[in-house]
Amino acid sequence: GAGVSQSPSNKVTEKGKDVELRCDPISGHTALYWYRQSLGQGLEFLIYFQGNSAPDKSGLPSDRFSAERTGGSVSTLTIQRTQQEDSAVYLCASSFGTSGGWVFGPGTRLLVL
Amino acid sequence: TQLLEQSPQFLSIQEGENLTVYCNSSSVFSSLQWYRQEPGEGPVLLVTVVTGGEVKKLKRLTFQFGDARKDSSLHITAAQPGDTGLYLCAGDGGSNYKLTFGKGTLLTVNP
Repeated sequence: GAGVSQSPSNKVTEKGKDVELRCDPISGHTALYWYRQSLGQGLEFLIYFQGNSAPDKSGLPSDRFSAERTGGSVSTLTIQRTQQEDSAVYLCASSFGTSGGWVFGPGTRLLVL
Repeated sequence: TQLLEQSPQFLSIQEGENLTVYCNSSSVFSSLQWYRQEPGEGPVLLVTVVTGGEVKKLKRLTFQFGDARKDSSLHITAAQPGDTGLYLCAGDGGSNYKLTFGKGTLLTVNP
């Protein structure tokens, strides 16, 4: 597609459940980023993938969060045993290398009840 | 920890007015990006400034990077309702991917 797509667009889950968030980057973009946007807060870095290099996972807030990128394309962010403080908009972006312009997806709005 | 403070937090103006929003930090950034985000959408990159003192113009929008690369401003001339949105600044501390974002300025331009 022409842009970055994310699914689902909205997710409501119960505390303690696991959720999977998907990101389809722009074809050919080698870099992929996950950020989290909480109400009243700036965007917070979560994880970065670049080609076949090991990802930088230093922004993941706890070991309940994990992410993978298959075939250098689609990425999945998994949150296990969700907590209410995980409620946020999860944004994915991609770029052609880190010097290329970033293109963000529309985000997944996660609400943990 | 690098922080970016944006001001004002909220701004409501009439169509045709000029405005300036600010992005300040005590840290030095190798580059700074400005984004606009509309409700239900992801941020859209407007500009990247790299050199201290750099000024970039994008139609009615003028972006400036401070000489010391610690601050930036966005000036909009003759604002239009289509300029309404959340304006975010984001600084790169040198990693190229671990950006520090400000909390944003929510701009409303009334017709």
